[in-house]
Amino acid sequence: DAGVIQSPRHEVTEMGQEVTLRCKPISGHDYLFWYRQTMMRGLELLIYFNNNVPIDDSGMPEDRFSAKMPNASFSTLKIQPSEPRDSAVYFCASSLLRGGGEQFFGPGTRLTVL
Amino acid sequence: GQQLNQSPQSMFIQEGEDVSMNCTSSSIFNTWLWYKQDPGEGPVLLIALYKAGELTSNGRLTAQFGITRKDSFLNISASIPSDVGIYFCAGLRMNRDDKIIFGKGTRLHILP
Repeated sequence: DAGVIQSPRHEVTEMGQEVTLRCKPISGHDYLFWYRQTMMRGLELLIYFNNNVPIDDSGMPEDRFSAKMPNASFSTLKIQPSEPRDSAVYFCASSLLRGGGEQFFGPGTRLTVL
Repeated sequence: GQQLNQSPQSMFIQEGEDVSMNCTSSSIFNTWLWYKQDPGEGPVLLIALYKAGELTSNGRLTAQFGITRKDSFLNISASIPSDVGIYFCAGLRMNRDDKIIFGKGTRLHILP
């Protein structure tokens, strides 16, 4: 089992540019989660999907953030336009259980916005 | 909103020492989870607890689901260098608003 796959692992971009982060969940997992991690705020849940449908996006900071899950094996998190305060590590996680009890995390994407 | 208070924020210990950390909340949880994050990696699940009072071990790690359902504890016995990292607790309530909530983490350092 390859685990949750995220790409890219590192992204450096300039303020105002569009950023797209990608995630492939573990096959068979019905839930997919996007998190943001910073030193100041810790791990923050941004949005989660169940069976490809967004269930709760209340953690998405602003309209500049959007997430999609076109099929069971792929999701994207897009930031447009990016700002320096978006710099963080973004994790994707997937799980089988309702409510995401036992989540398996990907290695993360470290985003730096200059 | 719900919050998990995890303590201590960081620990500096000698190799071989035992470690204790805990997580408390004003809310009741149905599930408590403990994760470990190594530098440059995502959190990895260590132990999951589903019943009040439950005590579960995973090698040198032991975690307990508090009897009040508002807290959980993680102990590491005879620490070794690879135990270094950040330990997160997480709680889950099986309500409509059943999002997992993470603590801020305990950063464990092992002195040479």
